[in-house]
This record gives sequence, structure tokens and C-alpha cells, in this order.
Amino acid sequence: RKEVEQDPGPFNVPEGATVAFNCTYSNSASQSFFWYRQDCRKEPKLLMSVYSSGNEDGRFTAQLNRASQYISLLIRDSKLSDSATYLCVVNLYTDKLIFGTGTRLQVFP
Amino acid sequence: DARVTQTPRHKVTEMGQEVTMRCQPILGHNTVFWYRQTMMQGLELLAYFRNRAPLDDSGMPKDRFSAEMPDATLATLKIQPSEPRDSAVYFCASGLDQETQYFGPGTRLLVL
Repeated sequence: RKEVEQDPGPFNVPEGATVAFNCTYSNSASQSFFWYRQDCRKEPKLLMSVYSSGNEDGRFTAQLNRASQYISLLIRDSKLSDSATYLCVVNLYTDKLIFGTGTRLQVFP
Repeated sequence: DARVTQTPRHKVTEMGQEVTMRCQPILGHNTVFWYRQTMMQGLELLAYFRNRAPLDDSGMPKDRFSAEMPDATLATLKIQPSEPRDSAVYFCASGLDQETQYFGPGTRLLVL
């Protein structure tokens, strides 16, 4: 079983739609959680951290459920520029990040 | 605007040749990571350094891969001899302690 699992997609949604991605992690000792975004043929970049109480950044909302070992990302009012691969990332009490294989999002006009 | 730089950006080589990839981390960052990304495996951590000391290279094939940090401004990843299965994008990332990792643009390697 992979340490971080994501639905690879692709998710094809129209502009303006709301879309949600889910991620599960296997190690209950995981301490920090993130979503990274990777555009085609580019490097991954931090989108947002995920906090236990849930957090929002504009159109993006991240949730963490430690009991179920589950992380989610909600994107409201999708834009064409949101098209990318979204990587779920987890780490323990170390510098090491464990990346999921990513969920691909395609927003169409 | 501080960034991680990597060279070369693209490399095509023949099986058996040595490949050296270089990374300049962001000034002041004390952790440096090497990742490999393929369609099948996603992002895999190969090795990482803290304050130039290697902390974990368990993700790296030991017989052909080596990673070093000769100084705080340079990290290298070498493959010798290279094989077609090494074809991938190799990313370097740097960070400060356990905070955000910043990725370089990657080196696209094709081994024929």
C-alpha cells in the first residue's frame, strides 16, 4: 500500500464548477500536510498547508480528518488557470515529504 | 526573487555514460533534496542533506547513483553508468528546517 494515495483523475470540469480532491495517508504518526500544485512540465509549488481545523485561501479550502487519515482540497468557481496536477503531501517529524502521485484537473471553457 | 537553479535543464545521453546534474539551493536554506519523477512512480525522494551532511539516501540505487554537497551553494547528483530506466525528470529542492520546500525547474534526462 502506498503511503499517500490519490485518485489520479483526470477530473474534467467546466469553468465555474466546484471540484473536490481526496487523499488518504497510511502513517497515523504523520504531522504535517500540504497540497502542492504542478503545472505541465513545471516543478511542484506549494499551494497551501492543511491544518487540523481546516483552512481556506480564497477559492481553495483544505480539510484534514486525522481519525480517518484523510485530506481533501475543494476548489470553488474553477478557473481555466486551475488546470494542473494537485499533489497531496505528508510528512512525519522529519524534513522528508511524502508525495502522492497527484490528481490531474482539467478545467474547460 | 530567490530560486533554486538546476543545470542542465535537458540531457540526452547514451546508456553507460556518466551523467552529472547540479543544483544551487536558495541562499540560506539548510536542507537540500533530490527527487526523481516518472509517470509511473510519481515523485520519489532519492536523497537529502541537512547542513551539507547526507541524512538519507535510502531511495537511491547505491550501485550507480551518488549525491554530494561539496559546499553550501552546490549539490550534485551523479549517475554512472546510466541506464535507459534512469530516464526521468530530476528535481532538486531546498528548504529551511521543516518548512516549505522550493523546487528547481528540474533536469529532463533521457538515456538511450
